[in-house]
Amino acid sequence: GAGVSQSPSNKVTEKGKDVELRCDPISGHTALYWYRQSLGQGLEFLIYFQGNSAPDKSGLPSDRFSAERTGGSVSTLTIQRTQQEDSAVYLCASSSTHIPYFGPGTRLTVT
Amino acid sequence: AQRVTQPEKLLSVFKGAPVELKCNYSYSGSPELFWYVQYSRQRLQLLLRHISRESIKGFTADLNKGETSFHLKKPFAQEEDSAMYYCALSFYNTDKLIFGTGTRLQVFP
Repeated sequence: GAGVSQSPSNKVTEKGKDVELRCDPISGHTALYWYRQSLGQGLEFLIYFQGNSAPDKSGLPSDRFSAERTGGSVSTLTIQRTQQEDSAVYLCASSSTHIPYFGPGTRLTVT
Repeated sequence: AQRVTQPEKLLSVFKGAPVELKCNYSYSGSPELFWYVQYSRQRLQLLLRHISRESIKGFTADLNKGETSFHLKKPFAQEEDSAMYYCALSFYNTDKLIFGTGTRLQVFP
């Protein structure tokens, strides 16, 4: 399976807890993206990594959100002190030819 | 600011009817436009991109720079076309992609 994978597929957490979402991109893809998908909001851009360049963090909704990409491969999206409005599906994508390929997403539910 | 607008949240048609999903964009540079589709319980996937100028599953889309539009069209809708459709804009010389809010297409038998 050479597609983008994400874990966990589902995450239920209590308000105020921190969560980490993982993305394994397609091998060799230099670009990696995080999006948030929620009802009525469509696909909201969060952050974009391209090679060794500084990431474009312009879409992160607050300082509770952060992301890292280690070794140019795996990425982790961290949400601190989760709020109910953080409930959504978090999608990761990677690309090497200007065409992003998406993972299955992580459904986050904050209770 | 760069923006992608899909004015319709839901579009319902009967099988065999023509379909047009609207997409307008706002971008001062040279855009690259895409349509992505998400079928029920499947991941988001690329349907077509404007530079390819191809027809996929009977769908076509033409970039109209004068009207800043990239509407998706199909002359005869099929039930299997029922899905969520997202229009997306890529910034010149980067891979960064922003999406519209999506249009749900329902095709009734």
